[in-house]
Amino acid sequence: DIQMTQSPSSLSASVGDRVTITCRASQSISNYLNWYQQKPGKAPKLLIYAASSVQSGLPSRFSGSGSGTDFTLTISSLQLEDFATYYCQQSYSSPPYTFGQGTKLEIK
Amino acid sequence: QVQLVQSGAEMKKPGASVKISCMASGYSFTTYYIHWVRQAPGQGLEWIGIINPSGGSTSYAQKFPGRVTMTRDTSASTVYMELSSLRSEDTAVYYCARDGSGWSPLDYWGQGTLVTVSS
Repeated sequence: DIQMTQSPSSLSASVGDRVTITCRASQSISNYLNWYQQKPGKAPKLLIYAASSVQSGLPSRFSGSGSGTDFTLTISSLQLEDFATYYCQQSYSSPPYTFGQGTKLEIK
Repeated sequence: QVQLVQSGAEMKKPGASVKISCMASGYSFTTYYIHWVRQAPGQGLEWIGIINPSGGSTSYAQKFPGRVTMTRDTSASTVYMELSSLRSEDTAVYYCARDGSGWSPLDYWGQGTLVTVSS
């Protein structure tokens, strides 16, 4: 199975900060990498697919990059509503479509 | 609009089975695969498996050998996930999610179904 490792596991930041979350795959997954945001008690929400394509309707402050084994999710200017947990997921090799362990973004 | 509506919370005893439904609307049901994902309390997301609503083919994570079965009813635009031989570690919120094809992003999610396994 392909293992996905996110860093950091948690992160404290302030409104207006630029934040980057990293996801590393245990083997090359090309650009088959998706990012999700999850708020407490809610289902995850798709943010980025194919490593860098922003899901329709999302604000431009979210961006993704990377290919092969190393990927990043960047939020250019944090807003209050962005404080949540973020997960990466590989969709290159199934089963399973593995998720990272999550990064909890908290208010400083 | 695309919606996935799941069945309600379940409480089961160890060793029992649970069957959760996920009814799709707002799109062509047989065009998009459906995934099942679960989340134990305070934990991350865990992929369970995928079903093709068109032909019914399935693929499951190796973690659930012989315990998970996914089926579909095309006349009702509904997929089902049954998990048997339940143990306390299966306590989780179970989600169905639509595969947006191409890079297989999970673009629409159900609201989640809490399954509690306790004696």
